[in-house]
Amino acid sequence: QKEVEQNSGPLSVPEGAIASLNCTYSDRVSQSFFWYRQYSGKSPELIMSIYSNGDKEDGRFTAQLNKASQYVSLLIRDSQPSDSATYLCAVLPLLYGNNRLAFGKGNQVVVIP
Amino acid sequence: DAEITQSPRHKITETGRQVTLACHQTWNHNNMFWYRQDLGHGLRLIHYSYGVQDTNKGEVSDGYSVSRSNTEDLPLTLESAASSQTSVYFCATRQGMNTEAFFGQGTRLTVV
Repeated sequence: QKEVEQNSGPLSVPEGAIASLNCTYSDRVSQSFFWYRQYSGKSPELIMSIYSNGDKEDGRFTAQLNKASQYVSLLIRDSQPSDSATYLCAVLPLLYGNNRLAFGKGNQVVVIP
Repeated sequence: DAEITQSPRHKITETGRQVTLACHQTWNHNNMFWYRQDLGHGLRLIHYSYGVQDTNKGEVSDGYSVSRSNTEDLPLTLESAASSQTSVYFCATRQGMNTEAFFGQGTRLTVV
């Protein structure tokens, strides 16, 4: 089983709609979870971090964490064309002493004007 | 502002040549990482360092080496470049446990 899995294919959403991205992880005792956004040809940039079960909101972004089910999700409300990017889920597994990030392969989001 | 600078941004080299990619950070972070990113594989860890004189192999370390002589720099060396090492390389740093990573701008390496 891979450490972090993002299985959904490219996601196309109309402008103004909600984009929903999911990520599952294998290390049950992971403590820290991150979402990165990566524009084509650019480096990943952090958009959200979450450490506790429940929801965390930051502007149009909401991260949701469920440790019992080992998944973390990202919601993008009122999607804008500028949200078109690849979104990477990252986890800090205890296997690495909470010191090395494990990344999913990413989900591409395309917002259609 | 603190930053991570990678150089060069683009590099074309020939098979068999030694290549060194530079990473310099002003965050004063102890933890530094090198990743490569390829279509279909996502970000894969090559080497990492938790401090001066400390280096460790990641999941795809064959053909690569690093050295850490100071806090600011972690150069990545390809001993004998191969076409399979054509990729985008990212350097990243982290302050400590349970914190996020910050990335450099990346280096696009082409081995011909």
